[in-house]
Amino acid sequence: QSALTQPPSASGSPGQSVTISCTGTSSDIGGSNSVSWYHHHPGKAPKLIIYEVFNRPSGVSYRFSGSKSGNTASLTVSGLQAEDEGDYYCTSYAGGNIFLFGGGTKLTVL
Amino acid sequence: QVRLVQSGPDVGKPGASVNVSCKASGYTFSAYYIHWVRQAPGQGLEWIGWVSPNTGGTNLAQKFQGRLIMTTDTSIDTAYMEMNGLKSDDTAVYFCARGYSGYDPVFDFWGQGTLVTISS
Repeated sequence: QSALTQPPSASGSPGQSVTISCTGTSSDIGGSNSVSWYHHHPGKAPKLIIYEVFNRPSGVSYRFSGSKSGNTASLTVSGLQAEDEGDYYCTSYAGGNIFLFGGGTKLTVL
Repeated sequence: QVRLVQSGPDVGKPGASVNVSCKASGYTFSAYYIHWVRQAPGQGLEWIGWVSPNTGGTNLAQKFQGRLIMTTDTSIDTAYMEMNGLKSDDTAVYFCARGYSGYDPVFDFWGQGTLVTISS
């Protein structure tokens, strides 16, 4: 199975909003609400920021929100801050107790 | 507090095996799954598989089947990942992560990562 498709890069100025898409198929994103997003700084452990499409774990800023339409999930980061820079990965259940990650999106705060 | 502490960096030759450990603390080890994820240099995250400390059951991404074994030792709250038949493109940072199930990618705590380098 192929990785989920994310844009390689995204950017925005401080205070702006940016949306990152994650496209799969009806066998993964389209067929399940088991979609999560992770924020990753190279050299560190990834951090869970969204689970089950739109839920935020305790302690994660309200500026992060998730949604899904058809085979595409989206992560929106509002009120961009310098600390939001880094790599963002989506992941989805793909049936048969396996998971797929997206290729990752590098977010730059201008 | 929940912690996952992994073994240190390792170097292996092509064709050899490597074993990475992941010691859990701060929670009931058998109540959660352990997932393994890797990141090769310059690449994205890749899900490898999961192991259930409660049942010993495992599930692997297809590309790793036949050369990767995941186990746990519940007496010391530690998970292990053994990869055989190493290739140069197995060079990566390997992470263990705590998961809630085998069908929802909710990985709420992660180990610090273990760099595995395959080199002749």
